[in-house]
Amino acid sequence: DGGITQSPKYLFRKEGQNVTLSCEQNLNHDAMYWYRQDPGQGLRLIYYSQIVNDFQKGDIAEGYSVSREKKESFPLTVTSAQKNPTAFYLCASTTSRDSPINYGYTFGSGTRLTVV
Amino acid sequence: AQSVTQLGSHVSVSEGALVLLRCNYSSSVPPYLFWYVQYPNQGLQLLLKYTSAATLVKGINGFEAEFKKSETSFHLTKPSAHMSDAAEYFCAVSDLSAGGTSYGKLTFGQGTILTVHP
Repeated sequence: DGGITQSPKYLFRKEGQNVTLSCEQNLNHDAMYWYRQDPGQGLRLIYYSQIVNDFQKGDIAEGYSVSREKKESFPLTVTSAQKNPTAFYLCASTTSRDSPINYGYTFGSGTRLTVV
Repeated sequence: AQSVTQLGSHVSVSEGALVLLRCNYSSSVPPYLFWYVQYPNQGLQLLLKYTSAATLVKGINGFEAEFKKSETSFHLTKPSAHMSDAAEYFCAVSDLSAGGTSYGKLTFGQGTILTVHP
């Protein structure tokens, strides 16, 4: 079955460490997104990418970096510059600029990152 | 810029009672609106969407929502709550517009946690 796979499900990071969250989709979707979820704050957009080798900052990009070398993959790196990284991270995808209207966004099952 | 406000971070109902989750939006263009549901430690699942067709939108699991432009609202309802409806619900608005150049980002509300009592 097609879908989005996020790994790992749980991740622990030490202070000052960079960590990378994986997001892979086999839906042949063009656009991919990273959201951060904190209790009571909904989901906030970190980065998004419409096509390979192109990505844009979202509302809270500071302390994060991404790459889009392949259509199916959109990894997120949480750098040591992100001072409060403990959160639930969700990856999403959709087929094109117009299709969120018709098909919505498909979400992965998330990665819970905790700083220890 | 688009924004979404969900009134009530927690809603509690009895099994069999009406479910009403409130969502108000702000948008400079005709909005596209969505409701998503999230179960603990899982991703989001689309319940329903409004795309400027019928103002009353029916979704999965017996949920429906009505788009009211005059009230800038898109409240989610279900006539009879079931225990399995207990989850967190998110309203979202898309910044896509006809002829626009947006990449189609979703802006989410803060979420409403629905509790269903036996």
